[in-house]
Amino acid sequence: QKEVEQNSGPLSVPEGAIASLNCTYSDRGSQSFFWYRQYSGKSPELIMSIYSNGDKEDGRFTAQLNKASQYVSLLIRDSQPSDSATYLCAVNIRSGTYKYIFGTGTRLKVLA
Amino acid sequence: DVKVTQSSRYLVKRTGEKVFLECVQDMDHENMFWYRQDPGLGLRLIYFSYDVKMKEKGDIPEGYSVSREKKERFSLILESASTNQTSMYLCASSPNRGAYEKLFFGSGTQLSVL
Repeated sequence: QKEVEQNSGPLSVPEGAIASLNCTYSDRGSQSFFWYRQYSGKSPELIMSIYSNGDKEDGRFTAQLNKASQYVSLLIRDSQPSDSATYLCAVNIRSGTYKYIFGTGTRLKVLA
Repeated sequence: DVKVTQSSRYLVKRTGEKVFLECVQDMDHENMFWYRQDPGLGLRLIYFSYDVKMKEKGDIPEGYSVSREKKERFSLILESASTNQTSMYLCASSPNRGAYEKLFFGSGTQLSVL
């Protein structure tokens, strides 16, 4: 089992809709979770971090964490064509020291 | 803003060459990381360092080594480049050793080994 799993997509949503991206992880001791956005040919940029169970909102983005079920999700409201990118889920795990493990990413396409 | 700078955006090397990829961060971050990114495989951790002259192996260290002589600089070395090391290489840094630190990425180096 991979440590961090994401559906590779593509996930296609119409402009203005809600995009829902999901991620599961295997290490129950994980404490911090991150969503990065990566445009084609560019490096990842952080858009959300979440550390506690529940929801965390930032503008059009909401991160949701459920540690009991070991999943973290990202909701993008009012999706725009500019949101079309690959979204990477990252988990900070303790393996001696802390290191970040990434999922393979979900490609999102927002259709105008 | 945190700036993580990778010395080359594109690099073409020949099989067997020794290759140096340089990364510099300007925010006094403790931790630095090297990842490679391949289609379908995502970002995989090669090496990381949480202090000057300290290094730890990541998930795929074979064929690579690293050097961190100064806090701001973390170099990735391909001792004898091979075609299967053709990839996008991403350097990243984070402020401290802890569970809640965020990663900041450089712009990446696309390495082609011919």
